[in-house]
Amino acid sequence: DIVMTQSPHSLAVSLGERATINCKSSQSLLHSSNNKIHLAWYQQKPGQPPKLLIYWASTRESGVPDRFSGSGSGTDFTLTISSLQAEDVAVYYCQQYCAVPRTFGQGTKLEIK
Amino acid sequence: QVQLQESGPGLVNPSETLSLTCTVSGASMTGYFWGWLRQPAGKGLEWIGRIYRSDYTDYSPSLKSRVTISIDTSKNQFSLELSSVTAADTAVYYCAREGGGAGSGWYLDYWGQGALVTVTS
Repeated sequence: DIVMTQSPHSLAVSLGERATINCKSSQSLLHSSNNKIHLAWYQQKPGQPPKLLIYWASTRESGVPDRFSGSGSGTDFTLTISSLQAEDVAVYYCQQYCAVPRTFGQGTKLEIK
Repeated sequence: QVQLQESGPGLVNPSETLSLTCTVSGASMTGYFWGWLRQPAGKGLEWIGRIYRSDYTDYSPSLKSRVTISIDTSKNQFSLELSSVTAADTAVYYCAREGGGAGSGWYLDYWGQGALVTVTS
C-alpha cells in the first residue's frame, strides 16, 4: 500500500494569514497511463462528508475559492490557503489515487489562532 | 447535480453482516467507479473498495475477506456487505463516486452524507 503522511497534525493560523499543509507519499504518484500526479485534497467540516478541493495535485475543483492551491511533484505535496477565512476551519486530507487500495493521509486539523 | 444517499440499519449485532445501500440520483451510473469508505468517530478516512459495472471490483486487502460490493444500475444503486462485524467496524460509512471522466475512476468527486453504523449487542 502507498503510505500517505501529512504534517502537521494540527495547525493554528490567524485570519488572513497563509496556511500550509504538507503531504508525503511513500512512492511516486506520477501515473504512467496519463503522466499526471494522482493526488487529491479534501476538506471535511464537522458532521459533513469530505469535499473535494484539489485533484491532479494542483487542479481546483469547480467552485473552490482561488485562495486554495495545490502544488508538488513526485512524492511531496502541499496544500496552501493563501488568506485564511473563518469558514476554512476544518480537517484536510490528502489522498492518492495512483494505486489500489486508495489511501489517505491521517488529516490535518486547521484552526484559527 | 449528482447526489448519493446511504441507507441501511444503524445497529448491527457482533458477528453479523452489515448491509448498506447507496442510491444515486442526478446522473447515470454507467461508466463510473462507485466506492465505499468509512470513518470511525474522531479518526481518519479508510477506503473499503469500489465497483465498476457489475464485473469489476477492488477491495482493501485488510477487509477483502469480509467485503462484497455489488451494483444494480437498473435501480441506480450499489451496495456494501461487510460480514463478521465487530466493534472495530463501528463507523460512519460513506458512498462516493470516483470521477475524472467516464471509465477512469480517479478522485472522489461526489459523496453521500454518511451513515453511522454501530456494532453492538
